[in-house]
Amino acid sequence: DIQMTQSPSSLSASVGDRVTISCRASQNINNYLNWYQQKPGEAPKLLIYAASTLQRGVPSRFSGSGSGTDFTLTISSLRPEDFATYFCQQGYTTRITFGQGTRLEIK
Amino acid sequence: QVQLQESGPRLVKPSQTLSLTCTVSGGSISSANYYWSWIRQHPGKGLEWIAYKYSSGSTYYNPSLKSRVTISVDTSKNHFSLNLTSVTAADTAVYFCARVSSIEIWFDPWGQGTLVTVSS
Repeated sequence: DIQMTQSPSSLSASVGDRVTISCRASQNINNYLNWYQQKPGEAPKLLIYAASTLQRGVPSRFSGSGSGTDFTLTISSLRPEDFATYFCQQGYTTRITFGQGTRLEIK
Repeated sequence: QVQLQESGPRLVKPSQTLSLTCTVSGGSISSANYYWSWIRQHPGKGLEWIAYKYSSGSTYYNPSLKSRVTISVDTSKNHFSLNLTSVTAADTAVYFCARVSSIEIWFDPWGQGTLVTVSS
């Protein structure tokens, strides 16, 4: 299976900060990389698909980049509602795998 | 707008079968553009996909669960189901259903999730 490794595992930041979360695949996945946001007690929500395409309704402060094995989720200016856990997920193979998650906390 | 809702027992005894249903509203489960899937999340942990399936064929199971899992789709009721046999405490988790894009595999939307506890 393709292993997805996120870094950091947790991150403290302040409202207004620019934040970057990384996701690395154990092999080339082209751009078959998706990002999700999950708040406590809620289901994950799709933010970005195909590495860089913003899902409808997601604020433009979220962006994604990368291809091959290295990918990045960027939040340009943190808002209070952005404090959550973020997961990456590869859809390159039928044996889907998720990253372990990055918990974004308020500093 | 498509919405998904899980239903089923919240408490299952060890060695028994966990059975959940996901009802789809606002769209047809027969759409050729989507798979239908189950994912679970152990308390405080990450996400683990269980299975996904087209309404009329192709089925994919997580190899680690394949021997115990069956996913089925009922187009007449616009819902799909999960059966997980021989459960243990390790199967205690929040179970989510979700629609899966078949072009590039992503999950959207998701059901709200249901916590299933395996305990005697």
